[in-house]
Amino acid sequence: KNEVEQSPQNLTAQEGEFITINCSYSVGISALHWLQQHPGGGIVSLFMLSSGKKKHGRLIATINIQEKHSSLHITASHPRDSAVYICAAAFYNTDKLIFGTGTRLQVFP
Amino acid sequence: ETGVTQTPRHLVMGMTNKKSLKCEQHLGHNAMYWYKQSAKKPLELMFVYSLEERVENNSVPSRFSPECPNSSHLFLHLHTLQPEDSALYLCASSPTRTANYGYTFGSGTRLTVV
Repeated sequence: KNEVEQSPQNLTAQEGEFITINCSYSVGISALHWLQQHPGGGIVSLFMLSSGKKKHGRLIATINIQEKHSSLHITASHPRDSAVYICAAAFYNTDKLIFGTGTRLQVFP
Repeated sequence: ETGVTQTPRHLVMGMTNKKSLKCEQHLGHNAMYWYKQSAKKPLELMFVYSLEERVENNSVPSRFSPECPNSSHLFLHLHTLQPEDSALYLCASSPTRTANYGYTFGSGTRLTVV
């Protein structure tokens, strides 16, 4: 069964802290996506990765194919990083994205 | 602005009303999707259109009726909805039907059924 699990569900941090959000998936995938959803509702794609590591500004995404696990890191977190972060997997056996339930991050000044 | 535009942003409707949600993209994408997002649940796929043909209907009640008149526009017609249909409805598009290239999402329509 194609499943995506995220942890934690909720995360609070002080400004400047290093943040890690985790994502595990059940079977083989061709790509793993990290998405950001702000309170207004719109969803923005942050990363798409199938191996290794990608970095964009203060955001870093990593994936371990053998462990079926991906992490999203935020360095020097800022209140504007407050959002819901969603991982989604493109499994080999389907052409649909399967979404996790999201991690709600709040960063306080 | 992501390139996928949804209107209206907010909608309040009674259970006997008929309304429509609109989605528009000019990214040249061939696939378009309707998703429902309820509180504390993952995004639920409702419908998939590829090259204007409906390729998936994910057991969605008939009170939701999609329409894709061309590759740039997607509608979701709503009639006789229930309060439990209150949710954020998101439209997305992708270059092809495969998930490898990722999706571009609109800002969503926040629907409240009273």
